[in-house]
Amino acid sequence: EAGVAQSPRYKIIEKRQSVAFWCNPISGHATLYWYQQILGQGPKLLIQFQNNGVVDDSQLPKDRFSAERLKGVDSTLKIQPAKLEDSAVYLCASSPDRVVGYTFGSGTRLTVV
Amino acid sequence: AQTVTQSQPEMSVQEAETVTLSCTYDTSESNYYLFWYKQPPSRQMILVIRQEAYKQQNATENRFSVNFQKAAKSFSLKISDSQLGDTAMYFCAFRSNFGNEKLTFGTGTRLTIIP
Repeated sequence: EAGVAQSPRYKIIEKRQSVAFWCNPISGHATLYWYQQILGQGPKLLIQFQNNGVVDDSQLPKDRFSAERLKGVDSTLKIQPAKLEDSAVYLCASSPDRVVGYTFGSGTRLTVV
Repeated sequence: AQTVTQSQPEMSVQEAETVTLSCTYDTSESNYYLFWYKQPPSRQMILVIRQEAYKQQNATENRFSVNFQKAAKSFSLKISDSQLGDTAMYFCAFRSNFGNEKLTFGTGTRLTIIP
């Protein structure tokens, strides 16, 4: 079984620039999650999709962050404009319906300078 | 809202020894899941072990076992016969059985196995 694919692996941008991250979940997994992991902290949920609908985006800074899940499969997370405090690892995870289990990608490390 | 607390930022132990990582959580629910995840430098979260709250028996996976104390809301991870490959960040996580299925993570414990 292929894992959760994420790209890019690393990204360095200047503050006020824009950036986008991509995630391809495991085939057939209905639920997709984006987590933000700031250095020294545990991952924090940014947004959760069920198929292509949003289940929870209460922790997403909507003035600068946006996310979409195309046709209930791939997902893109965008930051515009980036701030220094957005420097973090962005993890994508997916899970199937009615089964308790999560598969994580290797994340994108974002550095904002 | 649920919270997960890991009070040991760093730990180290000699290879082949046993180490226990602590985790406490706060919830008003009675039915939920608890997890331990390992995060090596590759950054991918790898499931170590999970526990369903309604099961009284502590989960075990080879060298990894948990001590689940539901009344005390404690969920510690014991690693026996520690190996160099166990060096990583370890995160405790909580998942409710109600509402959405998101994981709530603790702040992690950095474990170093010393040769």
